[in-house]
Amino acid sequence: EPEVTQTPSHQVTQMGQEVILRCVPISNHLYFYWYRQILGQKVEFLVSFYNNEISEKSEIFDDQFSVERPDGSNFTLKIRSTKLEDSAMYFCATRQGGGTDTQYFGPGTRLTVL
Amino acid sequence: GQQVMQIPQYQHVQEGEDFTTYCNSSTTLSNIQWYKQRPGGHPVFLIQLVKSGEVKKQKRLTFQFGEAKKNSSLHITATQTTDVGTYFCAGPIYGGATNKLIFGTGTLLAVQP
Repeated sequence: EPEVTQTPSHQVTQMGQEVILRCVPISNHLYFYWYRQILGQKVEFLVSFYNNEISEKSEIFDDQFSVERPDGSNFTLKIRSTKLEDSAMYFCATRQGGGTDTQYFGPGTRLTVL
Repeated sequence: GQQVMQIPQYQHVQEGEDFTTYCNSSTTLSNIQWYKQRPGGHPVFLIQLVKSGEVKKQKRLTFQFGEAKKNSSLHITATQTTDVGTYFCAGPIYGGATNKLIFGTGTLLAVQP
């Protein structure tokens, strides 16, 4: 069964550094999402992406965050200047579209900001 | 904004006992989805309920969607240690091309052998 993949599985960075989290969506999926889960808390929506542009972003997704799909394959989340409170699991999810609601989640990237 | 709450927050059962988690949304949902997240893992899609009053079963798991489409429940019969994890309900919010998911607060299930 096709899967969403994410790299790296764990990223440790210093506060103020830039990080890029990568996701490879399921090949025929058209809608892409990033979610965040702080340890022990619920999964929170960050941003959705369709047709090469952001379709919606949450209040968490401030100017420090950006997303792109540079090569038609990878879907990336960039945090320009990380803060301690950015430490969390970041999940990429993809959806096929065409009336299908199911979102398939990747294994996540654990981001630790020191 | 829309909120989705789940109770209980945590449940510890003996293997073989039943387990139920309840999900309540502040607004009517077009459908409700359930995900399971194993410790250290990612949310894995279990099922989607669409119709008012719908009931679906997957082996020992029974899912219900309320008549008003604002609440849902997941019941596990005769729990096993493999059932351990956090169970989240989630409702899609439609808007343009988004369909973002609003997740519930989750119920962590611990099963003692």
